[in-house]
Amino acid sequence: DAGVTQSPTHLIKTRGQQVTLRCSPKSGHDTVSWYQQALGQGPQFIFQYYEEEERQRGNFPDRFSGHQFPNYSSELNVNALLLGDSALYLCASSPEVGGLAYEQYFGPGTRLTVT
Amino acid sequence: DAKTTQPPSMDCAEGRAANLPCNHSTISGNEYVYWYRQIHSQGPQYIIHGLKNNETNEMASLIITEDRKSSTLILPHATLRDTAVYYCIVRVADSWGKLQFGAGTQVVVTP
Repeated sequence: DAGVTQSPTHLIKTRGQQVTLRCSPKSGHDTVSWYQQALGQGPQFIFQYYEEEERQRGNFPDRFSGHQFPNYSSELNVNALLLGDSALYLCASSPEVGGLAYEQYFGPGTRLTVT
Repeated sequence: DAKTTQPPSMDCAEGRAANLPCNHSTISGNEYVYWYRQIHSQGPQYIIHGLKNNETNEMASLIITEDRKSSTLILPHATLRDTAVYYCIVRVADSWGKLQFGAGTQVVVTP
């Protein structure tokens, strides 16, 4: 049973460009969350998708957007990249049972470097 | 969600028990205590969670004080592979899964 997978593993972009990161949740999981982790800090919640809708959002600008597909996979898009967007981007999935989201399983992350 | 306080770092000898403290003095009655760890260059890994009773699984034990204002994660026999950053998080069970990570505790297990 594959866990959470993310692609690509590493990415280098130039300031002002746009980037798309991808995530496939663990089998049986229908909720996907995205986190940003700057070097030396804990992960920060970006947003969560459930039933193809953004359900909850952290304190991130509109440059950060996402999408969830019918197969529960998800994309994170970041527009107009800034140097400060350089970070490890983590995807986490969880099953939702009876309205409760259970423990999240994280992928290995995508390391984004903005130059 | 309530915030947590953890020591920034601690060392542990291989084979000994590692006791990781966490203070969550403003925890609400419906908030659970979760522990995750993050090994270098990997995504966080779920360890254990609890509400008020002590919990144990194959990875660790969680001891929550009676007033629920603090807890301790116990790794019974630390190995070198347990070297990681450990995060204590409190959250409401029906909060749709948003996790608020702090800085965590860097645990270094030494031979």
